[in-house]
Amino acid sequence: DAKTTQPTSMDCAEGRAANLPCNHSTISGNEYVYWYRQIHSQGPQYIIHGLKNNETNEMASLIITEDRKSSTLILPHATLRDTAVYYCIVRSGGSQGNLIFGKGTKLSVKP
Amino acid sequence: DSGVTQTPKHLITATGQRVTLRCSPRSGDLSVYWYQQSLDQGLQFLIQYYNGEERAKGNILERFSAQQFPDLHSELNLSSLELGDSALYFCASSVVITGGEAFFGQGTRLTVV
Repeated sequence: DAKTTQPTSMDCAEGRAANLPCNHSTISGNEYVYWYRQIHSQGPQYIIHGLKNNETNEMASLIITEDRKSSTLILPHATLRDTAVYYCIVRSGGSQGNLIFGKGTKLSVKP
Repeated sequence: DSGVTQTPKHLITATGQRVTLRCSPRSGDLSVYWYQQSLDQGLQFLIQYYNGEERAKGNILERFSAQQFPDLHSELNLSSLELGDSALYFCASSVVITGGEAFFGQGTRLTVV
């Protein structure tokens, strides 16, 4: 599975959109981009995933560039409860088993 | 609530001891995964089971073992415990073997003293 690069930390003002970038320049054609988040010491929570089209659900939007080498997770109206570590994970749709978590981005939403 | 249940929530034990962590996956999920998260390591994949069979292994120590039972619940056994085994242990489950969309339990916090 391709590796990802994320900023170590980001700040966002409450009520504003939080845009979390992820680089995955070695992604291959059958690999999906997944986003999870972990609120302090809780179990990681699935947010969204996509292959090449932009995706939106009740939690967030995922924008994947046309060359698929990078993506952005957008939380449209961040709240204090969105403060968490956000993980971008790239994995093959056909591979077995594990999600490999990197260090993620620590998002701090401030009042 | 993810639907994945882990017990116990907290466990304190002495070095050299053995413990068993339990995980009940979401109803209908056949895959179960175990992860370890210590302060300085981040989330480390340990092992995956699918419908009772071991499917993938990560950095799991030989002192650790796991199994998945016919009712699909899973247990992680940790033996000859060391101080460094103190960590959060998470279980996750998913419907399919590929497991991209996985649901995590709230974890068991193990403290070895």
